[in-house]
Amino acid sequence: QQQVKQSPQSLIVQKGGISIINCAYENTAFDYFPWYQQFPGKGPALLIAIRPDVSEKKEGRFTISFNKSAKQFSLHIMDSQPGDSATYFCAASTSGGGADGLTFGKGTHLIIQP
Amino acid sequence: KAGVTQTPRYLIKTRGQQVTLSCSPISGHRSVSWYQQTPGQGLQFLFEYFSETQRNKGNFPGRFSGRQFSNSRSEMNVSTLELGDSALYLCASSMSGTGGTDTQYFGPGTRLTVL
Repeated sequence: QQQVKQSPQSLIVQKGGISIINCAYENTAFDYFPWYQQFPGKGPALLIAIRPDVSEKKEGRFTISFNKSAKQFSLHIMDSQPGDSATYFCAASTSGGGADGLTFGKGTHLIIQP
Repeated sequence: KAGVTQTPRYLIKTRGQQVTLSCSPISGHRSVSWYQQTPGQGLQFLFEYFSETQRNKGNFPGRFSGRQFSNSRSEMNVSTLELGDSALYLCASSMSGTGGTDTQYFGPGTRLTVL
């Protein structure tokens, strides 16, 4: 049973455009929702994270929007740059990610065309 | 501050063999988690250790095991390797692994190929 569903699988965006990746979860006990960025040959790196007590969090060009009633959250990358080309994973957990582990979406391969 | 290190980076084994992977967490981090990453299943949680104790375990067979030492370094072992065990094995460390904004930092992974 996939507890976090991520879409789209792949995404091509022109430089300067907005990249949007969506995730939906099933377990209402989840209380921590991070996004990770992974480049080829590297481990995932935390990009931004949100807790369900806020509906939006912004850090630079990256914004998480969170809809608790719909059990959905999304990542928006504004002014997308070629250096943003990577695989993005949404995740969820009940304890900050450690003891219970992070449940990951299947990932979105993002390509920013110059 | 040095990041999470994993050794070896690449490993080739044959079916039936066993393998041990090593992870050194960021200095001061006491929680170490292991994940398996494959193209088909994505990133899946294997287990987490804190203060030398396994706190949680994902849905993997008993062939997958691990341990943590007093210096927080961790090893995972896979016995009787199967072709389907070919994957990137990632280790992540965090301060305590629970609550707050306890970020998990991932290592570069060990690429295991089973022939």
